[in-house]
Amino acid sequence: SQQGEEDPQALSIQEGENATMNCSYKTSINNLQWYRQNSGRGLVHLILIRSNEREKHSGRLRVTLDTSKKSSSLLITASRAADTASYFCATGLKGSARQLTFGSGTQLTVLP
Amino acid sequence: NAGVMQNPRHLVRRRGQEARLRCSPMKGHSHVYWYRQLPEEGLKFMVYLQKENIIDESGMPKERFSAEFPKEGPSILRIQQVVRGDSAAYFCASSPEGAGTEAFFGQGTRLTVV
Repeated sequence: SQQGEEDPQALSIQEGENATMNCSYKTSINNLQWYRQNSGRGLVHLILIRSNEREKHSGRLRVTLDTSKKSSSLLITASRAADTASYFCATGLKGSARQLTFGSGTQLTVLP
Repeated sequence: NAGVMQNPRHLVRRRGQEARLRCSPMKGHSHVYWYRQLPEEGLKFMVYLQKENIIDESGMPKERFSAEFPKEGPSILRIQQVVRGDSAAYFCASSPEGAGTEAFFGQGTRLTVV
């Protein structure tokens, strides 16, 4: 399987509920980033967490990173219909140039 | 400060034609990256450029694809003799100096080969 695999592939929840998406990766990283992509649009950067950080918050977003398990999670609290999108994790690999390696994404649907 | 600008947004080419995709990075950004996204998939890295230099092209197909980032003007991704399998969304991203900084993405160019 590829670097940066998201789980689940698809998630459907009611407005107001929390959404949790997970990402696993294989090799050592410098940082891990989460992006959102609305259908047919570009990517919007959500949050970056460095390899020496364990948790980061931004508004309704909470990201954790466990380098021992090579995994990260993105929590969206009090979800809204406007949060409906695909969410991707992307890793910046150690020893590599600055490009990102993306997973295949989680499709989140928030039902009103 | 305008974001990363890509044009055109949509491009239709017949098999065998050339496709030219343009990307203007954010002001002050000297690093440009090109990614390709097939339907229902994540982005796949193609090439990383700094001004006038290709830093890493390990994700670029060896034939028909080329990229440049001249001293003046936008970065260009060029696909010669396009085939149906080249149909995809092509995204450009830019980042400033400094390791580990986030990349900012453009809206993408959707290439359709008919």
